[in-house]
Amino acid sequence: DTAVSQTPKYLVTQMGNDKSIKCEQNLGHDTMYWYKQDSKKFLKIMFSYNNKELIINETVPNRFSPKSPDKAHLNLHINSLELGDSAVYFCASSPRGQYTEAFFGQGTRLTVV
Amino acid sequence: DAKTTQPTSMDCAEGRAANLPCNHSTISGNEYVYWYRQIHSQGPQYIIHGLKNNETNEMASLIITEDRKSSTLILPHATLRDTAVYYCIPGTGGGNKLTFGTGTQLKVEL
Repeated sequence: DTAVSQTPKYLVTQMGNDKSIKCEQNLGHDTMYWYKQDSKKFLKIMFSYNNKELIINETVPNRFSPKSPDKAHLNLHINSLELGDSAVYFCASSPRGQYTEAFFGQGTRLTVV
Repeated sequence: DAKTTQPTSMDCAEGRAANLPCNHSTISGNEYVYWYRQIHSQGPQYIIHGLKNNETNEMASLIITEDRKSSTLILPHATLRDTAVYYCIPGTGGGNKLTFGTGTQLKVEL
């Protein structure tokens, strides 16, 4: 059983399209995250959700909208895709409380052409 | 956020211990030292974390200096599958604002 799973693994789309990436965790964690890894391999947090509520929203364009239907799922919807959105997007989750560890999905490689 | 300094790359022979250093001289009193690694084309993987005492688990050992300004991750018997980028991250846990720097690219060779 995959603890944190993302779909799709690869996504190629044209500029201007709208796309979604899905994430599910079966660990019973309360908190979920989206991270972006750019072409230079830097990993940066985008969003953090705790029990379906947004708690961190880093400087991310409004075209990116996370949606958490329940605490096991955190989907990422991207409107009007741009070339610069090409990156690997990682979903992660962690249990309640401080000093815990985060579990990451395998990533979704998004390529905008 | 505490800043970290790690070597850009290191090599290690398979079966030998890999010792990965990290300087985090600006770490706060309530921040732990977390270590993650990222194997090529995979998501980051948690390894170990500690506050001030040395820690050991099934993957690695973590040695933290008494002044907490630096630490060393030890993989006691490195294998080819340990080839990855290793990140040292001071923080208070979870996935909240894990600040991944450039890390150390560890290459384990025969």
